[in-house]
Amino acid sequence: QVQLVESGGGGVQPGRSLRLSCAASGFTFTSFAFHWVRQAPGRGLEWVALISYDGTKKYYADSVQGRFIISRDNMQNTLSLQMNSLRPEDTAVYYCARAGYWGQGTLVTVSP
Amino acid sequence: FMLTQPHSVSESPGKTVTISCTRSSGSIATNHVHWYQQRPGSSPTVVIYEDEQRPSGVPDRFSGSIDSSSNSASLTISGLKTEDEADYYCQSYDSTNPRWVFGGGTKLTVL
Repeated sequence: QVQLVESGGGGVQPGRSLRLSCAASGFTFTSFAFHWVRQAPGRGLEWVALISYDGTKKYYADSVQGRFIISRDNMQNTLSLQMNSLRPEDTAVYYCARAGYWGQGTLVTVSP
Repeated sequence: FMLTQPHSVSESPGKTVTISCTRSSGSIATNHVHWYQQRPGSSPTVVIYEDEQRPSGVPDRFSGSIDSSSNSASLTISGLKTEDEADYYCQSYDSTNPRWVFGGGTKLTVL
């Protein structure tokens, strides 16, 4: 069955970096584009980034442009999100997702 | 474009509720609309995809539609059950500026 499992979340100070990963299984990884979506505590869903099936096209929300980098390893079936210059407003549960399926999310907390 | 949903709706068990999702610019028919259910502490799950399709395992009490005259999509849940109480989000794709676009979410209360 389709599985998306995020990891790498945790607490970090403002200005620091964190790298999230998403391990995919149960489907042909290279057939799908992937997204990162986040949800701040008590808030709605916010799209963060998109990567094409082959990794050649990447798109970002204005709020993270220039700070976050999305990437994928089509040999390892993994998706990543490198988050730099983190801010308190980046505090959220981060989900990796493809059409029809989402992971369980990983919590990132940015505070002094 | 943006997608606008009512902040909250409430209805009694056994009744029918409809949640709207209005597209601010461009035709609602340009890109498919998907609906997610999110219960507290859980990740979103699809209840309707491609405007009106229902994934296997989702009860037929859930249905979706689009209306070009109002430029909106709708999620209708009939025969409401207390287990339907959750947040519901509509989502579409912006092909001009590639990204997923989400509605703000609607909190459904079944009381």
